[in-house]
Amino acid sequence: GENVEQHPSTLSVQEGDSAVIKCTYSDSASNYFPWYKQELGKGPQLIIDIRSNVGEKKDQRIAVTLNKTAKHFSLHITETQPEDSAVYFCAARETSGSRLTFGEGTQLTVNP
Amino acid sequence: DTGVSQDPRHKITKRGQNVTFRCDPISEHNRLYWYRQTLGQGPEFLTYFQNEAQLEKSRLLSDRFSAERPKGSFSTLEIQRTEQGDSAMYLCASSSGLAGGREFFGPGTRLTVL
Repeated sequence: GENVEQHPSTLSVQEGDSAVIKCTYSDSASNYFPWYKQELGKGPQLIIDIRSNVGEKKDQRIAVTLNKTAKHFSLHITETQPEDSAVYFCAARETSGSRLTFGEGTQLTVNP
Repeated sequence: DTGVSQDPRHKITKRGQNVTFRCDPISEHNRLYWYRQTLGQGPEFLTYFQNEAQLEKSRLLSDRFSAERPKGSFSTLEIQRTEQGDSAMYLCASSSGLAGGREFFGPGTRLTVL
């Protein structure tokens, strides 16, 4: 089955700096890669996703890049704000599969 | 608020008791998923419905767990004879083909087994 590894597990940045979180996946059949933000006591919130026919996608301050050959994808947050502080999860799903396989999460702290 | 609701939000029970959780997905979504999340970990897949049919179950779903989606709308997840190891956040998500398969999560039910 799919295995997703995520790093770093914790990341602390100053407000206004950029943050990068990286994930690798094992199953070359995976073709859908979402990122979720989870605040304390809440369910995961989808913030951006990318499919394997695209190398990069951007939405305002958030971007995701995908390298299919190396089987890794990354989340980039620019101009970080204190409200970006949360746990971020990457995930992967294969073409014909139903389940998302999640990474273990990154606790992002943005210091004012 | 994603439009996926779960009830209850918190449940405290004693070991050996049965518990049931409910999930109401986004109304036009035909797919419904259950995940379990323990502290410091990412969500782990439990089971998946397309309409009323349960199409996939994880090895994590022991015979003490059962899920239903009788009319293809809301779903229930029941845990029988709860154990302390069942303490976790139980998350429900829904999706539709029209949304590109994007999964939207509810707020979760936090289960504590004493």
